[in-house]
Amino acid sequence: EIVLAQSPGTLSVSPGERATLSCRASQSLSSSFLAWYQQKPGQAPRLLVYSTSTRATGIPDRFSGSGSGTDFTLTISRLEPEDFAVYYCQQYGGLSWTFGQGTKVEIK
Amino acid sequence: EVQLLESGGGLVQPGGSLRLSCEASGFSFRDSVLAWVRQAPGKGLEWIATFGGYGGSTFYAESVKGRFSLSRDTSKNTLYLQMNSLRAEDSAIYFCANSNPPLNYFDYWGQGTRVTVSS
Repeated sequence: EIVLAQSPGTLSVSPGERATLSCRASQSLSSSFLAWYQQKPGQAPRLLVYSTSTRATGIPDRFSGSGSGTDFTLTISRLEPEDFAVYYCQQYGGLSWTFGQGTKVEIK
Repeated sequence: EVQLLESGGGLVQPGGSLRLSCEASGFSFRDSVLAWVRQAPGKGLEWIATFGGYGGSTFYAESVKGRFSLSRDTSKNTLYLQMNSLRAEDSAIYFCANSNPPLNYFDYWGQGTRVTVSS
């Protein structure tokens, strides 16, 4: 089973600043199968990015994904107040799905 | 509009059973790949099971294999998660999510149903 490790656990950022979130896989995975989600308190997760870098429908272009092999990144270019949330990476492989443990982006 | 509506959560004693339902609308249920993802209080997301497409294959995480089982009723557009031998660590919000093949990301989610396992 591929394990995903996200870092940092918590990221303190001021509105308007850039946030860079990391997701590292325990073994190389296809970039086609790496996705990112945003979750706010009391809500279901929302798909942001799939196939490493493709934004889901309606996701603003300040969200961008990149990476390959074992290292993947979600970048939020200019944080808006509504972007403060928990972010999860997720991979599919070998007939199973796994999530990272999440990165909380909080207001500095 | 795609909608997933979970139900069936509640309080159950350790060792007990519960059946969750996920009613789907707005897409072709027969061909869909639907999954259950849970979230324990204050914790992250954990995939636990997937019911796959027209062939009806099922996949389970090791943490629930042998205790949980999936079934579906296409006449009701509903996916079921039968949970047996429940443990305290199964307490969580259970989300139903649509897995978009072949890339298998979760593009639609229900709002979840809460399961509490406690005596």
